[in-house]
Amino acid sequence: DAGVIQSPRHEVTEMGQEVTLRCKPISGHDYLFWYRQTMMRGLELLIYFNNNVPIDDSGMPEDRFSAKMPNASFSTLKIQPSEPRDSAVYFCASSYPLGGNQFFGPGTRLTVL
Amino acid sequence: SQQGEEDPQALSIQEGENATMNCSYKTSINNLQWYRQNSGRGLVHLILIRSNEREKHSGRLRVTLDTSKKSSSLLITASRAADTASYFCATDTIQGAQKLVFGQGTRLTINP
Repeated sequence: DAGVIQSPRHEVTEMGQEVTLRCKPISGHDYLFWYRQTMMRGLELLIYFNNNVPIDDSGMPEDRFSAKMPNASFSTLKIQPSEPRDSAVYFCASSYPLGGNQFFGPGTRLTVL
Repeated sequence: SQQGEEDPQALSIQEGENATMNCSYKTSINNLQWYRQNSGRGLVHLILIRSNEREKHSGRLRVTLDTSKKSSSLLITASRAADTASYFCATDTIQGAQKLVFGQGTRLTINP
């Protein structure tokens, strides 16, 4: 298995633009997580899905953020409109239901100018 | 709110020495996990210890858990330059075993 795949790896955009981050979890994993990592706030859980259904989105910072999981092999995190304070590394991770440990993707480094 | 907090924030040792990192947390847990993150990479799972376990080993890693003190430690023995990374503890909660809360991490530097 190729592991968790994220795209793009780097994204540079201007304030106000829409940004879409993509994630393909490991096949067979039932849980998918979106995290954001910054120096100031560390690693924060934004939202997670179980069997494609959002379970907890309490970490989503604002209505500008939205996430979807249309099928078991694909998820998106969208920011519209983007702001400079959204600059961070965004990680996607997946896990088995009883496994406990999560498998992380390489991350998307987002810079909003 | 931060569930896990690592101590120290940064640690620099010589190759071959042992490195010990500590983690404290606030609420009751099912499991505690340790992850490693190399610069510019995603996190990699190292070891999971359950709340009814006190110690666990994996290669050069030794993890202890003291639920009465709500603390855990990660010991890396005979450190190598390749162990240079940030190390994070992550805790779940009794209510939600899948949802993890990560600490701020310990940045470990192994000097050759």
